[in-house]
Amino acid sequence: AQSVTQPDIHITVSEGASLELRCNYSYGATPYLFWYVQSPGQGLQLLLKYFSGDTLVQGIKGFEAEFKRSQSSFNLRKPSVHWSDAAEYFCAVGASSGYSTLTFGKGTMLLVSP
Amino acid sequence: DTAVSQTPKYLVTQMGNDKSIKCEQNLGHDTMYWYKQDSKKFLKIMFSYNNKELIINETVPNRFSPKSPDKAHLNLHINSLELGDSAVYFCASSRGQGASYEQYFGPGTRLTVT
Repeated sequence: AQSVTQPDIHITVSEGASLELRCNYSYGATPYLFWYVQSPGQGLQLLLKYFSGDTLVQGIKGFEAEFKRSQSSFNLRKPSVHWSDAAEYFCAVGASSGYSTLTFGKGTMLLVSP
Repeated sequence: DTAVSQTPKYLVTQMGNDKSIKCEQNLGHDTMYWYKQDSKKFLKIMFSYNNKELIINETVPNRFSPKSPDKAHLNLHINSLELGDSAVYFCASSRGQGASYEQYFGPGTRLTVT
């Protein structure tokens, strides 16, 4: 069975500073990996996804993530955080075969300080 | 235009009541989902429908009964509500089955059972 671990429940970053949110997954083969963002009172929005190929993927809003098979990780990064980035971030994994649904991590709440 | 909409946005009711949540998508997608997000923000799949047919039922009590009258709608009916049913329920849709298809989420319905 697939699983996702987001080790940080909360992270506080100063506006303009860089950001890295950690995600580790467990899956027997090469997984499909996703990062979603949930703003307060809103549904989830897809930031980026990795299926195959280049291990560094670019997403919306200036986010990127790097797939590292050796570490079973898919960390999310942004070089300069804006106050509007404050939200809950979810990493998710899906099986690369069959009619799989997504398994989500428990989320990391990003707080941005002035 | 809202891609995935849910009604109501908030629902407060007493234990033992029966309630329904409606979901509609105008994206022309074939697959729709219901997720439950608990008080700790953990997001878990409940059901998945493809072309009006149930394809995934993730060990959900049979008090929960999804119904898909057509491809654009997936409603969730809950009988005999319990305190533990309090959560945010998200509807989502995707073009097809499988993790390779991006899921689009609705804004959520916050259900409070008193």
